[in-house]
Amino acid sequence: KQEVTQIPAALSVPEGENLVLNCSFTDSAIYNLQWFRQDPGKGLTSLLLIQSSQREQTSGRLNASLDKSSGRSTLYIAASQPGDSATYLCAVRGTTDSWGKLQFGAGTQVVVTP
Amino acid sequence: DAGVTQSPTHLIKTRGQQVTLRCSPKSGHDTVSWYQQALGQGPQFIFQYYEEEERQRGNFPDRFSGHQFPNYSSELNVNALLLGDSALYLCASSSNGQRGYEQYFGPGTRLTVT
Repeated sequence: KQEVTQIPAALSVPEGENLVLNCSFTDSAIYNLQWFRQDPGKGLTSLLLIQSSQREQTSGRLNASLDKSSGRSTLYIAASQPGDSATYLCAVRGTTDSWGKLQFGAGTQVVVTP
Repeated sequence: DAGVTQSPTHLIKTRGQQVTLRCSPKSGHDTVSWYQQALGQGPQFIFQYYEEEERQRGNFPDRFSGHQFPNYSSELNVNALLLGDSALYLCASSSNGQRGYEQYFGPGTRLTVT
């Protein structure tokens, strides 16, 4: 059974500092891994999707890496801003999940202080 | 192009009652998945509907049921509500197109059971 873990559960950094968020998964048989952002009480906004054959994906200040063999992904956010304050969730889709079912971690709550 | 929409936004029910939540998928999508997100946790997969049939189901009791209509919109029904059913309910739509069942999430319905 796939288990997805995100450590730390919460993180506070001063504005301008780089953010490093970690995600680990127990079963390396994944189809893809996705990072989401969630503002309090709101839905999920997709940030980056990494296919299992890829090592990383980049979008603006965001960069996500994937090491499937070790069951790890890292989301880097450069030069953090107060607007980056949110909960960040990672989710994996297994190779046997033919129709896209996602398995989520519990998230890392990020606060960026001015 | 409207994204995934959900109604209502918030709902308060009493233990033992029944509730119906609604979801309209993103244009061009034919598959709807439902997730439950308890406070401080990641979303948990409830079930998925395709061609008006339940195609996949997570580890949720039969009190949770759903329906999909010919226009691909979907309902989630929960009977005999328990206090533990209080959560954010997220709908995600997808299709087996170019992006291969990538899930697009709605804003969610916040259910409070008292």
